[in-house]
Amino acid sequence: NAGVTQTPKFQVLKTGQSMTLQCAQDMNHEYMSWYRQDPGMGLRLIHYSVGAGITDQGEVPNGYNVSRSTTEDFPLRLLSAAPSQTSVYFCASSYGAGITDTQYFGPGTRLTVL
Amino acid sequence: AQSVTQLDSQVPVFEEAPVELRCNYSSSVSVYLFWYVQYPNQGLQLLLKYLSGSTLVKGINGFEAEFNKSQTSFHLRKPSVHISDTAEYFCAVTHYSGGGADGLTFGKGTHLIIQP
Repeated sequence: NAGVTQTPKFQVLKTGQSMTLQCAQDMNHEYMSWYRQDPGMGLRLIHYSVGAGITDQGEVPNGYNVSRSTTEDFPLRLLSAAPSQTSVYFCASSYGAGITDTQYFGPGTRLTVL
Repeated sequence: AQSVTQLDSQVPVFEEAPVELRCNYSSSVSVYLFWYVQYPNQGLQLLLKYLSGSTLVKGINGFEAEFNKSQTSFHLRKPSVHISDTAEYFCAVTHYSGGGADGLTFGKGTHLIIQP
């Protein structure tokens, strides 16, 4: 198993540009989520999904969209990038709803918005 | 609402010495507690978790944590650290809201620095 994969690993955007961060898992996990990690802030939940076709907002959803058309993929879209979205983004997945099940994290995408 | 406080942003320790990384939480409902480790330029890995039962939880790499409900704490300990333990450690909490987990709430992290 490849586990949780994220692409790209690094990305530089200009303010106002759009892009999609890709996340895929091959473990047949139902639960997937996106976090952003900022210095001194820990990880903060952006959006999560408990299964295909179901998504919900986390702590910091503004400026981000998600969709879950398949069990395997959970892309994160930035419609109009802002410098405040400069961060490291982590995708995670788990078999169940994330309570008793271990969450597996991807290697992260480092995004810089100029 | 739930929150997690990691009292130390950085903890320097000599190799083979014991270490304790502190974590306190606040929540109005029953919680589930986790410790994750992040090695440089990598994603997070689960060290251990407390769901129920024994308050002393053993994890990977020789780490353990004790859940103390009266103190609302979940401190992480290791009796003897190694250079390879140098990493960022995150305490996290979640609770079951009926419709499913709301995701993890993380502390700001503690950077464990092992000195030779």
